[in-house]
Amino acid sequence: GQNIDQPTEMTATEGAIVQINCTYQTSGFNGLFWYQQHAGEAPTFLSYNVLDGLEEKGRFSSFLSRSKGYSYLLLKELQMKDSASYLCAVRDSDYKLSFGAGTTVTVRA
Amino acid sequence: GAVVSQHPSWVICKSGTSVKIECRSLDFQATTMFWYRQFPKQSLMLMATSNEGSKATYEQGVEKDKFLINHASLTLSTLTVTSAHPEDSSFYICSARLTPADSSPLHFGNGTRLTVT
Repeated sequence: GQNIDQPTEMTATEGAIVQINCTYQTSGFNGLFWYQQHAGEAPTFLSYNVLDGLEEKGRFSSFLSRSKGYSYLLLKELQMKDSASYLCAVRDSDYKLSFGAGTTVTVRA
Repeated sequence: GAVVSQHPSWVICKSGTSVKIECRSLDFQATTMFWYRQFPKQSLMLMATSNEGSKATYEQGVEKDKFLINHASLTLSTLTVTSAHPEDSSFYICSARLTPADSSPLHFGNGTRLTVT
């Protein structure tokens, strides 16, 4: 099974940078995903890491260290619309996706 | 635009009745779809894997006779909550991969908020 941990809440100021950490323990690792979810809506795919290192996509970057069971999502130049829940999800060797509880990010003016 | 369409967006039903939720893949064929459930402030929990033309695979603790899944075509999977009770009130979300490749990410429908009174 999967055990995925991420902070419950984070607050940051508009224009700042926030890093959301995710640690996981898995019986078989086959990729790590980050999703954004606004209240009452379905998750939206942000990024995917399967190899160690940093993946950059505009203002969002995601990092993975498989040996440490660790990932982070970096949000730069924060905007008010970035206020949402960010979900770390791990895929196992059977291609099943398990989600962390999510980190609620609040961006303040 | 949305690649997975889910209907209805919200539904209120009385205890003891059944509710059907539809999940459609738009402009692509999805041999496999996934059904998740999310309670307030909690994570998405996988309920079952819906396989086109065969029986669904349910996760441990999910009652297959209560949550009926049908995947009769390559673009449609349905979840029927039978004899709904207030504790079944939740946010139900379906998902699918754009390509058959297992490595591709999941895309989610907009979800269905079910309230059982």
